[in-house]
Amino acid sequence: NAGVTQTPKFQVLKTGQSMTLQCAQDMNHNSMYWYRQDPGMGLRLIYYSASEGTTDKGEVPNGYNVSRLNKREFSLRLESAAPSQTSVYFCASRYLFAGVSNQPQHFGDGTRLSIL
Amino acid sequence: KNEVEQSPQNLTAQEGEFITINCSYSVGISALHWLQQHPGGGIVSLFMLSSGKKKHGRLIATINIQEKHSSLHITASHPRDSAVYICAVWHSGGSNYKLTFGKGTLLTVNP
Repeated sequence: NAGVTQTPKFQVLKTGQSMTLQCAQDMNHNSMYWYRQDPGMGLRLIYYSASEGTTDKGEVPNGYNVSRLNKREFSLRLESAAPSQTSVYFCASRYLFAGVSNQPQHFGDGTRLSIL
Repeated sequence: KNEVEQSPQNLTAQEGEFITINCSYSVGISALHWLQQHPGGGIVSLFMLSSGKKKHGRLIATINIQEKHSSLHITASHPRDSAVYICAVWHSGGSNYKLTFGKGTLLTVNP
């Protein structure tokens, strides 16, 4: 049981390049999330998908786009990378029923992204 | 002001000591997470609780909903407990889809 799988684990980009971070979960969770983690700050929500077919902005969505490809997969795209997007990115998933849940959130191992 | 405040920010202990990390929050919540992150590592959920107390091995988490406060205790601490411990809350009322995180407490346990 892999849980939440993120790829790649590390990436270095040049300013202006684009890339997509991939995330897949095998726990049949309906909600999925993308966070970024920066030194001295708590994790911040970039985008989330409460269920297949829906996506919504989080706290820091500027410069990012997402796609909920199917129930398992939720990708994060940087169209034109900027140094301010250097961060560690975490994907997470959770099961929600009618907007409530007693289940914890499961996190991937993170993608360490550096933009030069 | 951050909606979730943790204290202390940094904590150094000797192996075997009893550890307490505190979390205070200012919003109404439906549940609270305690998470663990080892240096350079992923994030693991330790507890999710909405009332009372939970225990898993040497870890104990408590929550007081009226006082908007939670504590994470580690008994007989060990160097492998060295990690960042993060408190996060699910907001009640509005959307249940979002977690708000504290900035974390860096715990170092020396042998």
